[in-house]
Amino acid sequence: ETGVTQTPRHLVMGMTNKKSLKCEQHLGHNAMYWYKQSAKKPLELMFVYNFKEQTENNSVPSRFSPECPNSSHLFLHLHTLQPEDSALYLCASSQDGGQNTEAFFGQGTRLTVV
Amino acid sequence: AQSVTQLDSHVSVSEGTPVLLRCNYSSSYSPSLFWYVQHPNKGLQLLLKYTSAATLVKGINGFEAEFKKSETSFHLTKPSAHMSDAAEYFCVYNTNAGKSTFGDGTTLTVKP
Repeated sequence: ETGVTQTPRHLVMGMTNKKSLKCEQHLGHNAMYWYKQSAKKPLELMFVYNFKEQTENNSVPSRFSPECPNSSHLFLHLHTLQPEDSALYLCASSQDGGQNTEAFFGQGTRLTVV
Repeated sequence: AQSVTQLDSHVSVSEGTPVLLRCNYSSSYSPSLFWYVQHPNKGLQLLLKYTSAATLVKGINGFEAEFKKSETSFHLTKPSAHMSDAAEYFCVYNTNAGKSTFGDGTTLTVKP
């Protein structure tokens, strides 16, 4: 248990659906991240929030929309996804996003787009 | 550009034998380096980190890693593998802007 909780753990959605992934941490961290982990590919950083401000968008398609209402919660809103978006989506948090701070990961949401 | 390379995509060892997972980095300045472990269908968990203090870093579950600047390496070792060590391992490089670059991962298999 890392202190970072993701819900749901599994999600199956059609290409026309709209759904949201939720991430929550009560570690007092100020930086939060979304990563995509696909089979046979390196971990891809999608978005970074530092003190609730988005500091990085790693050329992610607009069908993925992040939201960070406060420093403890992070959402990833999904709409009109493609089958190639099927992957494990990992949320992480760190104290301050600095060079020496490690990330704490949630267990991920396994997303299947049908 | 800064990068990290894990030299083996798969490593297989017998239970009770040593583990060596190799990682090389490329950087123009002093890096911060991390090793994470990921068990099936789980998130990543920090094993250990190097942040310019002692070059030999001890982590959880008996793992350790040595930062060697002359070889630009940060290899992960464990004297004796346990069945529960079977997992995927990631070497991670943090830039001075706090951006993380992940290696491609090494899958460790432990045979009984």
